Amino acid sequence: QKEVEQDPGPLSVPEGAIVSLNCTYSNSAFQYFMWYRQYSRKGPELLMYTYSSGNKEDGRFTAQVDKSSKYISLFIRDSQPSDSATYLCAMVSGGSYIPTFGRGTSLIVHP
Amino acid sequence: SQTIHQWPATLVQPVGSPLSLECTVEGTSNPNLYWYRQAAGRGLQLLFYSVGIGQISSEVPQNLSASRPQDRQFILSSKKLLLSDSGFYLCAWSLRPPRGGETQYFGPGTRLLVL
Repeated sequence: QKEVEQDPGPLSVPEGAIVSLNCTYSNSAFQYFMWYRQYSRKGPELLMYTYSSGNKEDGRFTAQVDKSSKYISLFIRDSQPSDSATYLCAMVSGGSYIPTFGRGTSLIVHP
Repeated sequence: SQTIHQWPATLVQPVGSPLSLECTVEGTSNPNLYWYRQAAGRGLQLLFYSVGIGQISSEVPQNLSASRPQDRQFILSSKKLLLSDSGFYLCAWSLRPPRGGETQYFGPGTRLLVL
């Protein structure tokens, strides 16, 4: 079993839909959780960063961490075609600086 | 603000030729530096990381090497490229614990095609 599992998709949704992207993990030592957005042929861009459990909101994006279930989510409200990209989750243990990445979920938002 | 540069953006090289990819970071000092490879349809593979000048840790045995001649400069090299070296190479930086380190910031990447 991989440390971080992420469905590769593609996930195709109509413009305006609420998108839910998810990752599960097995290492209970993970404390920091990140979401990156990667457009085709570009480097990943940090979207959201959370510590421990709970929710964090930034504009149309909400990151949610459930440590008891070892499950993290990224919600995108009012999705736009410009949100079409690959979304990678990443997580790291306290005191470490080497994150473990998911393989990414490809999201397509069609007009 | 911090900026990370990588060059070249795209590279096509014959099998057996040498390789040198360069990464520089601006706007921060003493960063941790990382080299990743991202093959088509696959995840990020950590190749090397460095916590200081001349300090390189290798994650995957291969024909690649890395060097850090200056605080904010990270170089990925090979003496002889293999077909399997093709991929998207990403440089990243992070702050050092306890200032941070949990989040990495990526460069624009270099697309390498070995023929």
